[in-house]
Amino acid sequence: GESVGLHLPTLSVQEGDNSIINCAYSNSASDYFIWYKQESGKGPQFIIDIRSNMDKRQGQRVTVLLNKTVKHLSLQIAATQPGDSAVYFCAENRRVTGGGNKLTFGTGTQLKVEL
Amino acid sequence: NAGVTQTPKFRVLKTGQSMTLLCAQDMNHEYMYWYRQDPGMGLRLIHYSVGEGTTAKGEVPDGYNVSRLKKQNFLLGLESAAPSQTSVYFCASSYSPRADTEAFFGQGTRLTVV
Repeated sequence: GESVGLHLPTLSVQEGDNSIINCAYSNSASDYFIWYKQESGKGPQFIIDIRSNMDKRQGQRVTVLLNKTVKHLSLQIAATQPGDSAVYFCAENRRVTGGGNKLTFGTGTQLKVEL
Repeated sequence: NAGVTQTPKFRVLKTGQSMTLLCAQDMNHEYMYWYRQDPGMGLRLIHYSVGEGTTAKGEVPDGYNVSRLKKQNFLLGLESAAPSQTSVYFCASSYSPRADTEAFFGQGTRLTVV
């Protein structure tokens, strides 16, 4: 069956370093991916998205890379800050029968920023 | 800017009790969703709605019912709570059925069934 998963449950980085969070997916028909950030006690918050016709997309301090050949995407955070500490989810967004979207989430990576 | 608001934030139920979780959004979104989040399993879709008066099953609908009587509200009901329903529940909404649409999430409801 289809799945979206992350490679590591926990990632620790030093403040100021760059962070790379990885995600693998299995459905080759997936055409849209989103990265969410979830801080403790809060709901997921949209960070950045990418369509399957793109290889790279940049936002403010964040970059998402998509490699369709190996079904892999990554989230890069530049100059990681303490406020970046959270759980990061990749999600595949697909249309469902009858309308609406279905977000299929990975299991999440806990990013810990060490001072 | 309320966005998506969930009520209550925390609840403890005894096995067999019933309750309703309320989700309200003020963004005039057509599409609303209920997810549950369990450790190590990401978020899983329970039910969703593509508009007022409509509901549909997600991937884990058993033990839950939903209603969308008003566009801004999406209710999730547990008729007879079970310990397996201990989880954090998230409501989300989006304005478009397009796949490339961001979903906005509420802050979550932590439910414990004892």
